[in-house]
Amino acid sequence: GNSVTQMEGPVTLSEEAFLTINCTYTATGYPSLFWYVQYPGEGLQLLLKATKADDKGSNKGFEATYRKETTSFHLEKGSVQVSDSAVYFCALSLLSGGYNKLIFGAGTRLAVHP
Amino acid sequence: SQTIHQWPATLVQPVGSPLSLECTVEGTSNPNLYWYRQAAGRGLQLLFYSVGIGQISSEVPQNLSASRPQDRQFILSSKKLLLSDSGFYLCAWSVLRVHRAANTEAFFGQGTRLTVV
Repeated sequence: GNSVTQMEGPVTLSEEAFLTINCTYTATGYPSLFWYVQYPGEGLQLLLKATKADDKGSNKGFEATYRKETTSFHLEKGSVQVSDSAVYFCALSLLSGGYNKLIFGAGTRLAVHP
Repeated sequence: SQTIHQWPATLVQPVGSPLSLECTVEGTSNPNLYWYRQAAGRGLQLLFYSVGIGQISSEVPQNLSASRPQDRQFILSSKKLLLSDSGFYLCAWSVLRVHRAANTEAFFGQGTRLTVV
């Protein structure tokens, strides 16, 4: 079936460290891929997206590349800030039965310390 | 521009009481609508989705129901709450994906934190 697997957290980093959060997926057809971010007590916000193989999504210093050969969409940032502390969700979207089927990973909590 | 409203933001309800959470979307027509639940420290579980008025599909059996009385209104309900219904409930919408190049991201409301006591 269709699924998203992302690395378990929490991930704890010092400010200005390099971040990688791994995400792999299993899907039939041609999914679009997303990273969402959730700050404490809030809903999810779209961070970046990629709709086809080799696309790179980027936003606020974060980036992820759609790798069809490895079915991956790893999130990276070169230098994290305390304000990046949040929960990050990898997700895919497929057209299924006439609607957008959205499947999320379990989320990875990131804590950045000064 | 499109916006999504979800209320209330927080809710404390006794076991056995009814529930009604409301979600409305502005600035778009014929959206796909979703209800998700997020248990404490866990990921998102899709509860219901809707592709049109009166069309509701459930992903998991549970104590909850959903209705879509208007194109941009989505309601989550329960007749009798259980302790296990506690969690963070999120409403979302997306544009129907009709071809591969279409934008397919979901847009989320701010969530409702429900505590059943």
